[in-house]
Amino acid sequence: SQKIEQNSEALNIQEGKTATLTCNYTNYSPAYLQWYRQDPGRGPVFLLLIRENEKEKRKERLKVTFDTTLKQSLFHITASQPADSATYLCASLDSNYQLIWGAGTKLIIKP
Amino acid sequence: EAGVTQFPSHSVIEKGQTVTLRCDPISGHDNLYWYRRVMGKEIKFLLHFVKESKQDESGMPNNRFLAERTGGTYSTLKVQPAELEDSGVYFCASSQELDFLGGGEQFFGPGTRLTVL
Repeated sequence: SQKIEQNSEALNIQEGKTATLTCNYTNYSPAYLQWYRQDPGRGPVFLLLIRENEKEKRKERLKVTFDTTLKQSLFHITASQPADSATYLCASLDSNYQLIWGAGTKLIIKP
Repeated sequence: EAGVTQFPSHSVIEKGQTVTLRCDPISGHDNLYWYRRVMGKEIKFLLHFVKESKQDESGMPNNRFLAERTGGTYSTLKVQPAELEDSGVYFCASSQELDFLGGGEQFFGPGTRLTVL
């Protein structure tokens, strides 16, 4: 079945360092991947989208890459801050045009 | 501009009871989606409305779940009768027409946490 996988273990990063989160997809070729941020008690908030023909996309301190050979997207936060602590979700349309999601990776930025 | 709102924020009910969740999308958004996240699992698609019509309800778990969107505005999701496995967080999202297939942003509500005892 079509699936998106993210590292379920929390990622602890020191403030100021770059945080890198991974999203792997299997059994399909998504036209794009989306990244969302979710804070406790809130719904996901859209951050970035990267299409299959784009290798890299940037927005302020955020950078997303898309490697169709590795079937992987990487999400980077540079100069990380404690306020960046949240769960980050990867999502994409499957062949039924439904948005499928990874389980999310919890990011903890320590001061 | 008001975002997507959901009511209630929490609901605790007994097995066999009925619960109705409500979602008010962003004004002017024709697309409305329901999702569910069971603890420890990923968010799962339930259904998609375009205005008042059900575009895709293939993600609905079974016929105990009924979604409506009268007049193409707010939507309700009724669970009747509720079972233990229905517990989870139910999210609603909305988006503008034609954006979604092209990767358009979905705007999510805060979710309703449903606990079935």
